[in-house]
Amino acid sequence: QQPVQSPQAVILREGEDAVINCSSSKALYSVHWYRQKHGEAPVFLMILLKGGEQKGHDKISASFNEKKQQSSLYLTASQLSYSGTYFCGTDNYGQNFVFGPGTRLSVLP
Amino acid sequence: GAGVSQSPRYKVAKRGQDVALRCDPISGHVSLFWYQQALGQGPEFLTYFQNEAQLDKSGLPSDRFFAERPEGSVSTLKIQRTQQEDSAVYLCASSLGGTTTGNEQFFGPGTRLTVL
Repeated sequence: QQPVQSPQAVILREGEDAVINCSSSKALYSVHWYRQKHGEAPVFLMILLKGGEQKGHDKISASFNEKKQQSSLYLTASQLSYSGTYFCGTDNYGQNFVFGPGTRLSVLP
Repeated sequence: GAGVSQSPRYKVAKRGQDVALRCDPISGHVSLFWYQQALGQGPEFLTYFQNEAQLDKSGLPSDRFFAERPEGSVSTLKIQRTQQEDSAVYLCASSLGGTTTGNEQFFGPGTRLTVL
């Protein structure tokens, strides 16, 4: 079953922050985050494994609450290069892999 | 090193034709995935291989779709009697580990299939 992402789209000014949420009705073992720019393949951002961990690099971080079956991606002090569509992907205990519908992020100068 | 490659990059087929899409994963990667991505949508899972074994094909939309990875490296996705609704970008991804859990997927550039 496909995870739900919110918001569907967000427009930011350079330097502003954003949060993208991902939730699932099924138990999760891990959550993946990818970014896809128009006409390009998805590019890996990070993976969070069960255990409620939080990860981050540069100004992008994420959290995973396995009890709530939710993950959030935090983009801080957004840059123009952050523009794209962000997908969460959920792994159902090693069986197949399902992406969310995506959140379109536009960062304006 | 080389990433995931896919060929052809673009394919135009007449309705009813058969097509074959090729994926060359990163050398040594155990897992291989195929996804279908319609315009403005997220990638939709089609099938998953661990080496040469097809562990999950639950996402294949009909029996017109067939995938194989006979030697555990290169994979081919075949679509028979193509229909207009098959028009999409077909993405291939590979990952080092033998499970979907905790393993980053590396995506190829995709094959854009247009069925007229």
